Amino acid sequence: ELKVEQNPLFLSMQEGKNYTIYCNYSTTSDRLYWYRQDPGKSLESLFVLLSNGAVKQEGRLMASLDTKARLSTLHITAAVHDLSATYFCAVARVAGTYKYIFGTGTRLKVLA
Amino acid sequence: DAEITQSPRHKITETGRQVTLACHQTWNHNNMFWYRQDLGHGLRLIHYSYGVQDTNKGEVSDGYSVSRSNTEDLPLTLESAASSQTSVYFCASSESTRPDTQYFGPGTRLTVL
Repeated sequence: ELKVEQNPLFLSMQEGKNYTIYCNYSTTSDRLYWYRQDPGKSLESLFVLLSNGAVKQEGRLMASLDTKARLSTLHITAAVHDLSATYFCAVARVAGTYKYIFGTGTRLKVLA
Repeated sequence: DAEITQSPRHKITETGRQVTLACHQTWNHNNMFWYRQDLGHGLRLIHYSYGVQDTNKGEVSDGYSVSRSNTEDLPLTLESAASSQTSVYFCASSESTRPDTQYFGPGTRLTVL
């Protein structure tokens, strides 16, 4: 069964600090996605990681994928208040029954 | 610009009523999805479709149905609404080929009394 776990579930951090969100998944997958959701809003795509060792960066966010460890990380550098949101990872598996499973999300609050 | 829309944005209904939530996309994507989002559960897949006349059950499909008569629309029907179906519903679409990033609609908040 494909399971996706994120940690931490809640993260409160000071502006200017660094932190990492972890996404573990249980079975083989060759693609992992990160999404952002602002309160009361829809989800928007941040990154798509398609191969082992893939690294994507945009602004203060950097995502990486280790398919052997079944782990993706979302690293936040020098956090600012505008990054406050809920971040979801998602994993897709096409072999057999199609599955696109989201993690439970990490609610990030950046304090001024 | 291409987009994905949902209607209504908010709906209050009574237990036992049939409810249909609309989803319309102009991306010309073959893949469309319905999710529900509840606190503590993240997003859970209800139904999905790979193309016209194709529909598939997701992990929480009981009590829901979909039909796909054209590329643009995937309406979600609650046959007999239950209080447990109170949730926020998101529709999404994606291309058939990698990367199949999903593009989400604005969501429908459904309350079943």
